[in-house]
Amino acid sequence: DAGVIQSPRHEVTEMGQEVTLRCKPISGHDYLFWYRQTMMRGLELLIYFNNNVPIDDSGMPEDRFSAKMPNASFSTLKIQPSEPRDSAVYFCASSFSVYEQYFGPGTRLTVT
Amino acid sequence: AQSVTQPDIHITVSEGASLELRCNYSYGATPYLFWYVQSPGQGLQLLLKYFSGDTLVQGIKGFEAEFKRSQSSFNLRKPSVHWSDAAEYFCAVGFSGGGADGLTFGKGTHLIIQP
Repeated sequence: DAGVIQSPRHEVTEMGQEVTLRCKPISGHDYLFWYRQTMMRGLELLIYFNNNVPIDDSGMPEDRFSAKMPNASFSTLKIQPSEPRDSAVYFCASSFSVYEQYFGPGTRLTVT
Repeated sequence: AQSVTQPDIHITVSEGASLELRCNYSYGATPYLFWYVQSPGQGLQLLLKYFSGDTLVQGIKGFEAEFKRSQSSFNLRKPSVHWSDAAEYFCAVGFSGGGADGLTFGKGTHLIIQP
């Protein structure tokens, strides 16, 4: 298996623009997680899905952030409008049932 | 709320020396425990995990960790480090099987290897 795939790997955008991050989980995994990593706050859980249904979005910072999982092999995290404080590395992870999570390589977002 | 503490922000070890990275957690029940490693510009790779059973668990790359319930700790060890072990190490805790709930991560320990 190719592992968790994220795109793009790097994204540079201007404040106010819409940003869409993409994730393809490992085939057969039924859980998908979005995390954000910053120097100040470390790794934080944003939202996670089970069988394509959002289970807990309490970590989503504000309404500018939204996430969808239209099918078992694809998820998006959207920021609209983006702000400089959104600059971070965003990780997607997936797992099968209650077992360990596998992380993608991350998307480094820079908002200028 | 659950929390994970990694008290050492940076650790410097000579190549060939032994290593221990500390991790403490706060939670009322037995958690599921993980150690991940992150190389610069890379994602997180799972080193090892504890779900139940034997409290000494073996992982990849020669790492091991021991769960001590009385101390709420899950310290990572390696008997002899290699220069390639230089990276950021994260301890994480899960509470619904680990994979069925979001993980809570420590702030990480940056490991520096001296030649």
